[in-house]
Amino acid sequence: EAQVTQNPRYLITVTGKKLTVTCSQNMNHEYMSWYRQDPGLGLRQIYYSMNVEVTDKGDVPEGYKVSRKEKRNFPLILESPSPNQTSLYFCASSSLQGPYEQYFGPGTRLTVT
Amino acid sequence: SQQGEEDPQALSIQEGENATMNCSYKTSINNLQWYRQNSGRGLVHLILIRSNEREKHSGRLRVTLDTSKKSSSLLITASRAADTASYFCATDVLSGGGADGLTFGKGTHLIIQP
Repeated sequence: EAQVTQNPRYLITVTGKKLTVTCSQNMNHEYMSWYRQDPGLGLRQIYYSMNVEVTDKGDVPEGYKVSRKEKRNFPLILESPSPNQTSLYFCASSSLQGPYEQYFGPGTRLTVT
Repeated sequence: SQQGEEDPQALSIQEGENATMNCSYKTSINNLQWYRQNSGRGLVHLILIRSNEREKHSGRLRVTLDTSKKSSSLLITASRAADTASYFCATDVLSGGGADGLTFGKGTHLIIQP
């Protein structure tokens, strides 16, 4: 089954404790992206990647890092989480060959206290 | 920055009625997509309309695109309780093609009353 998986689904952590949210897709998509969703603000793109070893900042990259060492994986790293990073995070992937519909993971709800 | 903006923010209708949501955007696009999100879950792609298309159908969904007005509408006919969800338009801007990703609006929350 074609899918995007994220782990963990729920995470409560404390300020400053490094964490990683994993994202994996099994569709051989070149493009992967991270979004955060906050009430009243909609979805905002954090980082995206067009292929292995190619990453770029989205609209709200501050406080986040990503890596793309393998085509299927695109982890999101919070080196020193802060309470303003409490949010619902989505990973998505799509083919660059078209059509450009994105497939979303189930989401990771992160709370930073 | 927000490219697409949905209108209305929330819509409540009776089951069986049609639901119409609108999306306006600011810059030229390659395509415009509509997604559905059930509460707290991942977005699901509904339909994509290219900039050279004016109307597209998929089941009970009808999407129109007016590039001169930079607007799109999503019509759901014969609504069902299961259509209750948030609906987002997303634009793939012309400069970035499919590579820079999509810019999402804030969504329309649709409630179907049984």
